[in-house]
Amino acid sequence: QSVLTQPPSTSAAPGQRVIISCSGGHSNIRSNAVSWYQQLPETAPKLLIYHNNQRPSGVPDRFSGSKSGTSASLAISGLQSDDEADYYCATWDDSLNGPMFGGGTKLTVL
Amino acid sequence: QVTLKESGPVLVRPAETLTLTCTVSGFSLTNGRLGVGWFRQPPGKALEWLVHIFGNDATSENPSLRSRLTISKDTSKSQVVLTMTNLDHTDTGTYYCVRVREEWDDQYYYFMDVWGRGTTVTVSS
Repeated sequence: QSVLTQPPSTSAAPGQRVIISCSGGHSNIRSNAVSWYQQLPETAPKLLIYHNNQRPSGVPDRFSGSKSGTSASLAISGLQSDDEADYYCATWDDSLNGPMFGGGTKLTVL
Repeated sequence: QVTLKESGPVLVRPAETLTLTCTVSGFSLTNGRLGVGWFRQPPGKALEWLVHIFGNDATSENPSLRSRLTISKDTSKSQVVLTMTNLDHTDTGTYYCVRVREEWDDQYYYFMDVWGRGTTVTVSS
């Protein structure tokens, strides 16, 4: 069971906006930066957001990240069918002395 | 272009040792702020960090697996090698070699910016 808690699934129609939450604690999200990863079916994860809210080059600005206290969130606007994927949050945990992931959220585009 | 490629056995018997090799290109294994980590994903489950090694040779292992893991690098070959001992069926999954970055500012930044395609390992007799 992941220490970072994400909703197992979410869904929305094309063109809509969806927010995926990631809840943690003092030893992880509150103290360290959060990153987000997109995993399309049968592929390796891909970095989507780093430093809480920074996008690597090539990631559309439809994807945005934020962090407040012990929680973080990923927002996806203007949903497209190829956004259908699993999304994972991750951060360093001071107790683990290593990175940890959320359990993942499966996004379905209706 | 930064790439990482995993190689190793597809099938491992229970109690045996798994050795996976990651061959990297496009960056140096001696850069202190860059590292290479191994992560895994059991079928249908979430990602899990196993171990990493940074350019200054600092390593860290997941405490739950520490006694079974070893990571090393050969900079002349641009390779990082993972060894995991005493495998059982719960070790079945896809193993990823990943470039990791760390930075410090007002907080600690650790993230995985480039992933290999992964290699599937099945533990079965």
